[in-house]
Amino acid sequence: GAVVSQHPSWVICKSGTSVKIECRSLDFQATTMFWYRQFPKQSLMLMATSNEGSKATYEQGVEKDKFLINHASLTLSTLTVTSAHPEDSSFYICSARVPIAGGPSGELFFGEGSRLTVL
Amino acid sequence: GESVGLHLPTLSVQEGDNSIINCAYSNSASDYFIWYKQESGKGPQFIIDIRSNMDKRQGQRVTVLLNKTVKHLSLQIAATQPGDSAVYFCAAGSTGYSTLTFGKGTMLLVSP
Repeated sequence: GAVVSQHPSWVICKSGTSVKIECRSLDFQATTMFWYRQFPKQSLMLMATSNEGSKATYEQGVEKDKFLINHASLTLSTLTVTSAHPEDSSFYICSARVPIAGGPSGELFFGEGSRLTVL
Repeated sequence: GESVGLHLPTLSVQEGDNSIINCAYSNSASDYFIWYKQESGKGPQFIIDIRSNMDKRQGQRVTVLLNKTVKHLSLQIAATQPGDSAVYFCAAGSTGYSTLTFGKGTMLLVSP
């Protein structure tokens, strides 16, 4: 199946610093990627939809100035957690949809996730 | 809005048993359903999907059943193996709307 790669897989940072997480579709082009957040033993919560060449669409309650998303190419989306605080510590997962003709509901492939720990 | 939930947070089975994981959804407009497997510290892995024009779909050792009348779907795993131990999520979406809503997850524990 299609491959979605995330980097870094884990990161530890000090409170107040910014952290960038990359999401790449390795063998297909993705006009749309999705960023999720997952707390321990909880489900995935959609944070935002990343659209290539345009602004991301954020879910209600997600601060767009806190979680900066850039989708500069058809294979790369980045999530930057700005001025990180301990409560931002979480597992961040991206996904990308392999486009199929006739509709948006192509199969969704997930990255391996990036675990952020803010001290 | 959409809510997708699971009936059992943890399911413990013996190796070789058949496992059934259940999921309920609330949005009648949902017409696309997916089961994902997530191992500890990893991203979700696609298992099987089903569209609303079907009520059953089979894969390798897995079967998904969809009951649109009661907004319920289930994942059946035949001859469960220790490697099947993971958290299983159902997700629901609507054709024409590209995002999915995930259920809370069920931890499947398989004892040898």
